[in-house]
Amino acid sequence: GAGVSQTPSNKVTEKGKYVELRCDPISGHTALYWYRQSLGQGPEFLIYFQGTGAADDSGLPNDRFFAVRPEGSVSTLKIQRTERGDSAVYLCASSQGGAGEQFFGPGTRLTVL
Amino acid sequence: AQSVTQLGSHVSVSEGALVLLRCNYSSSVPPYLFWYVQYPNQGLQLLLKYTSAATLVKGINGFEAEFKKSETSFHLTKPSAHMSDAAEYFCAVSGTTDSWGKLQFGAGTQVVVTP
Repeated sequence: GAGVSQTPSNKVTEKGKYVELRCDPISGHTALYWYRQSLGQGPEFLIYFQGTGAADDSGLPNDRFFAVRPEGSVSTLKIQRTERGDSAVYLCASSQGGAGEQFFGPGTRLTVL
Repeated sequence: AQSVTQLGSHVSVSEGALVLLRCNYSSSVPPYLFWYVQYPNQGLQLLLKYTSAATLVKGINGFEAEFKKSETSFHLTKPSAHMSDAAEYFCAVSGTTDSWGKLQFGAGTQVVVTP
């Protein structure tokens, strides 16, 4: 595709449930990033991949959050035992290399009831 | 640690007037700095970036920003606002040399353009 795509665009779940959010980066981009944007705030860094490996996961808030990128392309952000405080827009971005311009997807809006 | 502060969460400008959005940064290393724009229900779009070349950076849609090391600032300007400039704007600073991809964003400034 022409840009970064994210699915689903909206996800409503109940407290305690497990969710997976998917990101398809721009073809050929080696770096992939996840951010979280809460209402009224700027995006907050979660994790970034260079190829298949997590180059920096210092932004993951706790061990309920996990992300994978097994083949160096598509990535999945996984949240276990969701809490109401996890409600936010989850943004994915990709770039050519770690210092390249980051291209953002439209985000997944997660609502935890 | 890297961080940015955007002064003013909301700015209202008249169509045709100067747009000025303020950003101050804190960085332990020479920074890369960015301005992104977010239109409703759309992803973030890069307006411009500073990567230690020219201190005056020109971007898309007539925007520009000036890097001032002495003031640790990277303010965004546009001489004449258009209605289409109504959006939220975010300033961001890159991570340290071992994690350039880790962008730290400011809280954002919502711009409203009045006729």
